[in-house]
Amino acid sequence: SYELTQPPSVSVSPGQTARITCSGDALPKQYAYWYQQKPGQAPVLVIYKDSERPSGIPERFSGSSSGTTVTLTISGVQAEDEADYYCQSADSSDTYWVFGGGTKLTVL
Amino acid sequence: EVQLVQSGAEVKKPGESLKISCKGSGYSFTSYWIGWVRQMPGKGLEWMGTIYPGDSDTRYSPSFQGQVTISADKSISTAYLQWSSLKASDTAMYYCVRRWTGLQSADYWGQGTLVTVSS
Repeated sequence: SYELTQPPSVSVSPGQTARITCSGDALPKQYAYWYQQKPGQAPVLVIYKDSERPSGIPERFSGSSSGTTVTLTISGVQAEDEADYYCQSADSSDTYWVFGGGTKLTVL
Repeated sequence: EVQLVQSGAEVKKPGESLKISCKGSGYSFTSYWIGWVRQMPGKGLEWMGTIYPGDSDTRYSPSFQGQVTISADKSISTAYLQWSSLKASDTAMYYCVRRWTGLQSADYWGQGTLVTVSS
């Protein structure tokens, strides 16, 4: 079955830049989406179509794509950005969704 | 305002059946796919499947095919996720999501329904 691979954890100090990667064979053909989930809350979409930002999401969140890897970048990380981040995409036949395993972002 | 409101937490015993619900409001319920996502305690998100309430077209993740049933009643703008025989491993938070039109992404999430299966 199709899989997306993320690092389990990323740690950064406040004000630094956090980069979270997500790898999958179908990513050159399928858009990637990123969700932020804080404890006890439902996930929130922070990036769609690889690099687009929904309204209301701070400009410090950005996304990029290169081959089989997509990257979520958070510039000028703030304490409130500490959360789990999940990438999500679809399989190459557009039939079903898949989530990455999630990355815990720790703000030191 | 678009809302997905899910039914309340459930505590069940192994072998029991269960049907949880997700009521959509603030939009045309029959025009958007509704999906279900599982999150086991302390674990990540897993896509289970999706339904188009307009014609009941349903797709399942291979991991969940045969394990659950997704349905919808468009007359009351409600989607359902059901089990015929629960297992302890079904203990999880379950979210319904609305698929963003034209994209393979969720634009709205329900608040989640916690299902606990324990003897």
